[in-house]
Amino acid sequence: ETGVTQTPRHLVMGMTNKKSLKCEQHLGHNAMYWYKQSAKKPLELMFVYNFKEQTENNSVPSRFSPECPNSSHLFLHLHTLQPEDSALYLCASSQYRGYGYTFGSGTRLTVV
Amino acid sequence: QQPVQSPQAVILREGEDAVINCSSSKALYSVHWYRQKHGEAPVFLMILLKGGEQKGHEKISASFNEKKQQSSLYLTASQLSYSGTYFCGTEISNYQLIWGAGTKLIIKP
Repeated sequence: ETGVTQTPRHLVMGMTNKKSLKCEQHLGHNAMYWYKQSAKKPLELMFVYNFKEQTENNSVPSRFSPECPNSSHLFLHLHTLQPEDSALYLCASSQYRGYGYTFGSGTRLTVV
Repeated sequence: QQPVQSPQAVILREGEDAVINCSSSKALYSVHWYRQKHGEAPVFLMILLKGGEQKGHEKISASFNEKKQQSSLYLTASQLSYSGTYFCGTEISNYQLIWGAGTKLIIKP
């Protein structure tokens, strides 16, 4: 248990499906992040929320839609994904600048 | 913008030392170091803030040369548990880290 909980751990979805990934932290952190990790590629920042406000959308396709209803919860809504979207999706949180990130265990997504 | 990590991979015998480097072309506010084992989440090791300080964590320490925008991670007397992929994350602006491609470390008994 890292302090950041992600569900589900594994997800297989068709290209026409709609699904959501959930992230929850009770560390009192102010910032939350979604990252995509593909094989042999660096971690790719997708979205940043600071005090529930989205501060960064790193040119992510609109088929990914984030939601941050409060400072403890973060969602990533998925619809009409492509096979190349298959990857490990990691959620992280941090206190604020100058502090390390705590990552969740990730959701392994496979788009078929 | 992505920092360059070197080497890409290193194989050590237990007890040997290793150095992993992270170099950026941008002025940095901080450098983070993380270790990720296969199938697990990245785990925070340490953060170095601008000011050129050196930090230590058990037998793992790191330095940050602000002028050169470089950081190095030092693994002393490596243990089997040190195996994994090490990532540096460089902070240029608030709340955003740009990640290196990772250095895979394999420790053999």
